[in-house]
Amino acid sequence: GENVEQHPSTLSVQEGDSAVIKCTYSDSASNYFPWYKQELGKRPQLIIDIRSNVGEKKDQRIAVTLNKTAKHFSLHITETQPEDSAVYFCAARSIYNQGGKLIFGQGTELSVKP
Amino acid sequence: DAGVIQSPRHEVTEMGQEVTLRCKPISGHNSLFWYRQTMMRGLELLIYFNNNVPIDDSGMPEDRFSAKMPNASFSTLKIQPSEPRDSAVYFCASSLVRPYNEQFFGPGTRLTVL
Repeated sequence: GENVEQHPSTLSVQEGDSAVIKCTYSDSASNYFPWYKQELGKRPQLIIDIRSNVGEKKDQRIAVTLNKTAKHFSLHITETQPEDSAVYFCAARSIYNQGGKLIFGQGTELSVKP
Repeated sequence: DAGVIQSPRHEVTEMGQEVTLRCKPISGHNSLFWYRQTMMRGLELLIYFNNNVPIDDSGMPEDRFSAKMPNASFSTLKIQPSEPRDSAVYFCASSLVRPYNEQFFGPGTRLTVL
């Protein structure tokens, strides 16, 4: 069935370093891959997304890459800051899903140490 | 727009009691999702609606859980009878059904069942 695996589950970096979170999806019909950031006690919020016809997308310090052949996509955060500390979720959506259902990964808790 | 609205924000109840969670999606959105979040199980999709019709309720844990969407601007998630293991944060999210539209999450309801 549909599944999204996310690694690592926890990640600790020094301020200024880069952070990379990786996800693998199982449904080859997936065509939309959003990333959500959830700060402690808050709701998940979209930070960046990528569509299956694009290999890479950047927005300031964050970027996402997609490898459709390997069914793999990654989030890259450069020059990390303490405010980047949060739980990050990847997700995938199949072209066949009615209503826009997302399959979420298990989440990565990122800690950026000053 | 006020975003997705959920009520109550916090609910503390005793085992065996009925609990009703409420959600008002963003005006114009035609898909609505109910999620449950716990430390152990992460972010789980319980049920989702498209144009007020339930599309997939395979995530509903058991018969004690039920959800309704009587119109485009209101949905409820009911637990009867509640159990301590139902304690979690319940999120409602809404989106437009287009190929790549973002899901917007509400602030969540923190449910504690004693």
